[in-house]
Amino acid sequence: GAGVSQTPSNKVTEKGKYVELRCDPISGHTALYWYRQSLGQGPEFLIYFQGTGAADDSGLPNDRFFAVRPEGSVSTLKIQRTERGDSAVYLCASSPMGLDTDEQYFGPGTRLTVT
Amino acid sequence: AQSVTQLDSQVPVFEEAPVELRCNYSSSVSVYLFWYVQYPNQGLQLLLKYLSGSTLVESINGFEAEFNKSQTSFHLRKPSVHISDTAEYFCAVSARGATNKLIFGTGTLLAVQP
Repeated sequence: GAGVSQTPSNKVTEKGKYVELRCDPISGHTALYWYRQSLGQGPEFLIYFQGTGAADDSGLPNDRFFAVRPEGSVSTLKIQRTERGDSAVYLCASSPMGLDTDEQYFGPGTRLTVT
Repeated sequence: AQSVTQLDSQVPVFEEAPVELRCNYSSSVSVYLFWYVQYPNQGLQLLLKYLSGSTLVESINGFEAEFNKSQTSFHLRKPSVHISDTAEYFCAVSARGATNKLIFGTGTLLAVQP
């Protein structure tokens, strides 16, 4: 079956612009996670959805970052007034139920470059 | 809060040699432990995990890791590596009974040379 997909695969934007990154999880997975991986670092947790609601958004760095999952499937990560420090690979993962023992399945990521 | 330390950013090794990738963690609560692998130009894949039971866990491609609670370690080992094992390896933890968010280390690049 299809895995987690993310679009676009690459996004180049100018400083100050608004961007949206999309994640399409594995069908039927109720839990969805966003992570950010900066160069030379491991993935860093941003936000976790259980169904339509954000169950844990403790990793969002500031109020320029926002994510939604209106129908409990596709999720969009939104970044306002982008800064050069936002440049990173944004990873999405999904898991069947969000249980603490569930495996997370990762997408290929969106590479965001802010110029 | 949890944290993960992977002290080796890169480990060069010759083909068919043994290798150990080190991982230490810190946590005030019980954790689950994971190793993820990222092959060149591919996404993260789960390699193996420790949830409970036997402290020695194995993957299908010959890797193993041992959970050592007293040393707060979860080192990854393979007795004989192949060129195809060249990849970035990430150790991660999640807190038991929590939201399942993963806390990753900075990764270790395993570079297997012929």
